[in-house]
Amino acid sequence: AQSVTQPDIHITVSEGASLELRCNYSYGATPYLFWYVQSPGQGLQLLLKYFSGDTLVQGIKGFEAEFKRSQSSFNLRKPSVHWSDAAEYFCAVATGNDMRFGAGTRLTVKP
Amino acid sequence: GAVVSQHPSRVICKSGTSVKIECRSLDFQATTMFWYRQFPKQSLMLMATSNEGSKATYEQGVEKDKFLINHASLTLSTLTVTSAHPEDSSFYICSASQWGPQQETQYFGPGTRLLVL
Repeated sequence: AQSVTQPDIHITVSEGASLELRCNYSYGATPYLFWYVQSPGQGLQLLLKYFSGDTLVQGIKGFEAEFKRSQSSFNLRKPSVHWSDAAEYFCAVATGNDMRFGAGTRLTVKP
Repeated sequence: GAVVSQHPSRVICKSGTSVKIECRSLDFQATTMFWYRQFPKQSLMLMATSNEGSKATYEQGVEKDKFLINHASLTLSTLTVTSAHPEDSSFYICSASQWGPQQETQYFGPGTRLLVL
């Protein structure tokens, strides 16, 4: 069965600093990979997704993620974090209608 | 594009009453809709998957008689929590996907906060 691991429960970065959120997946074939962001009391907003092709995927709000098959990873990055990026971030893997989420990483941004 | 709405955003009800939550895809036809439950500071737990015109498929451990799902059209699915009890208090989120390329992509609604007194 497919699974998703987000090793970091909580990350704190200073505003303007770079960010990397880790995501590892377990699946027999190449899955479809997603990053979602959730602000408190809100639903999930799709940041970016990988289906095929270029392994470096650009998303909204200046985020990007890189699919590394050899490491079964799909880490999310942003070169300069803004205070408004503080939220919960979920990595997800899907096959067909089956989407599995990681436990989430809470991002705190220091002034 | 790919906007999903939910109504109501918040609901408070008395124990024993039923509550209906609506999920709508506003600018696309949703061949499949999903209902999730999220506890505080936790990830999403899939409750059920529904296809338009078909019975919903429930995840193991989810009571189908308690959480009634109807997907009557390609833009609307409803979740009815019947005889609600305080332990049903939670954040319920729906999502929708559409047929076609990258159909595995799910677009999420803003969620509904249910409080059962």
